[in-house]
Formats: sequence, structure tokens, C-alpha cells
Amino acid sequence: DARVTQTPRDKVTEMGQEVTMRCQPILGHNTVFWYRQTMMQGLELLAYFRNRAPLDDSGMPKDRFSAEMPDATLATLKIQPSEPRDSAVYFCASGLGAGGGYYGYTFGSGTRLTVV
Amino acid sequence: DQQVKQNSPSLSVQEGRISILNCDYTNSMFDYFLWYKKYPAEGPTFLISISSIKDKNEDGRFTVFLNKSAKHLSLHIVPSQPGDSAVYFCAARRSYGGATNKLIFGTGTLLAVQP
Repeated sequence: DARVTQTPRDKVTEMGQEVTMRCQPILGHNTVFWYRQTMMQGLELLAYFRNRAPLDDSGMPKDRFSAEMPDATLATLKIQPSEPRDSAVYFCASGLGAGGGYYGYTFGSGTRLTVV
Repeated sequence: DQQVKQNSPSLSVQEGRISILNCDYTNSMFDYFLWYKKYPAEGPTFLISISSIKDKNEDGRFTVFLNKSAKHLSLHIVPSQPGDSAVYFCAARRSYGGATNKLIFGTGTLLAVQP
């Protein structure tokens, strides 16, 4: 059963520290998304890649967030420096093609980030 | 600017009855709509979708209705079961157009089905 793998599952860090979240998309999927879940915004799109190229990162605070795909099997989301307002669950999702087809995208289980 | 809105944060329904979850959208360019279901500590999972060329799609106990003129869709669950208790997200996208065809999600509705 193919799945999107995210690490770490939980992360507690102090304000000002760097945080890196990792995602292994489903093999063969060429589109990767990063979403953040908050109570007020629901699932908020941060950035997305197609064929490893960044297509849209307009949802990301550029001064502290960065997203990359060093290769087709790894996507990273980095926050430096982290702030308490970054506390949320961060989801990675992957899919095929421009729209993800009938099923949309497959999500990982998320990284719960707490910044104290 | 919330392009996809779920105005009911929560809904409580008795087992066996119908659950109706609602979603409104503002962008008339959206042409494909999806519902995702999310259990605690898990990622959202796809439930059902509908293209804008249809007004209804059914899959077992789940039916999605689309009213394009009202920019409104709804998810009906009949009969509701305790295992349906989860957060339900509505999502929308444009199927064509390059970088604009990302999934835009609503804020979610927490459904509680009481035994």
C-alpha cells in the first residue's frame, strides 16, 4: 500500500531554532505539496512542486520558510528561525499530474510542530 | 481570502440518520471538487469527488451534490455510522491552467455521530 512518509512525527523546539521537516512522496508521483493545518485557516497551502521544480510558494512566509526537493524521493520544509505562531501540523501530499486526477492527492500523516 | 468556506465548524448526528455537510466557494473558475476525511493524528484521505459538469455523484453511503449557480456543494452520508466521526474537508481546484490548479481547502467540519 503506497504511502507518503513524513518525518519527524512530532517536533518540539525552542523559539529561534531551525526546524526541518521531511517528506518521501509516493514513488512515481511528480507533484508534491506542503500544507499547514491551523484552527483558523484549515488546510493552508504553503508550497508545491512539479517534477521537483517549485511552482508556487506564495503561501509561505519567505523570510523564514524554505521548501526544496533535492531529489525525486525527498521534499523538505525548513523554518529558520522558528516562532511560536508556527506551531501547527504540517502535511505533505503527493500526486500525479497537474490536478492529481480523480482522487486528488495522497497525504502523509503529518508533522506536529510545537515551538515554545 | 477564503475561497472555500465551511461555515459549520461542527455537526452532531444520531447513528442511522443523515449527515449533511456544506461547503461554499467563491471562485467560479473551480471545476473540480473533492471531499476529504481526517481522523485525529492521521492525514486527510480522499472520500469522493465531483466534476463541475455533473450535479451529483454517489458512492455507497456518500453522495456529493453540486449547485454551480449557488457555488455550493454538500456531502450527504446516509446512514451515518459512529466510524464516520471525523473532520471533513471540502476542497476545490481548477483542472487546467498550469500553476493555478492547486487544491484549495476549507476549514473543515467536525462530524460526531452519536451511537
